[in-house]
Amino acid sequence: EAQVTQNPRYLITVTGKKLTVTCSQNMNHEYMSWYRQDPGLGLRQIYYSMNVEVTDKGDVPEGYKVSRKEKRNFPLILESPSPNQTSLYFCASSLSRGNEKLFFGSGTQLSVL
Amino acid sequence: EDKVVQSPLSLVVHEGDTVTLNCSYEVTNFRSLLWYKQEKKAPTFLFMLTSSGIEKKSGRLSSILDKKELFSILNITATQTGDSAVYLCAVSIHNAGGTSYGKLTFGQGTILTVHP
Repeated sequence: EAQVTQNPRYLITVTGKKLTVTCSQNMNHEYMSWYRQDPGLGLRQIYYSMNVEVTDKGDVPEGYKVSRKEKRNFPLILESPSPNQTSLYFCASSLSRGNEKLFFGSGTQLSVL
Repeated sequence: EDKVVQSPLSLVVHEGDTVTLNCSYEVTNFRSLLWYKQEKKAPTFLFMLTSSGIEKKSGRLSSILDKKELFSILNITATQTGDSAVYLCAVSIHNAGGTSYGKLTFGQGTILTVHP
């Protein structure tokens, strides 16, 4: 089944404790992206990647890192999480940058205490 | 700054009603407008619109784009409880060469609740 898989689905952590949210897609998509969703603010892009080893900042990249060493994986790293990073996170992918139809993962609900 | 605004923010109707959801946008270099349905967690794709005046339909759902007035509407006829969800509108823009930047700018979403 074609899908975008995120893990974990839920995560509670404390301020400053490094964490990684994994994202994997099995559709051979070139383009992958991370969004966060907050009440009243909609979905906002954090980082995106147009292909392996090519990443760029979105609208709200502060406090996050990403890497794209393989085509299928695009992990999101929070080196030193803070409470304002408590949010619902989505990984998404599409065939290429020029193809706007995004496929979303099931989301990761992160709480930073 | 690119902006996408949806209205209403929430809507409560009864089964069988028809609803119209609105999405207006202010962006430079518009490329396309997309509608997503978000139930529980992951948004799922509904429609992508690039040309004015051409209606896209899928069952009881339909959508149309007006590029002159910079808005789109999503219609749902004969609503069912399974239509209850958050409906998201998003806009894609392109660079000077016509290629997408690869980013969608989302509106806040409309929460639709359909009562039996």
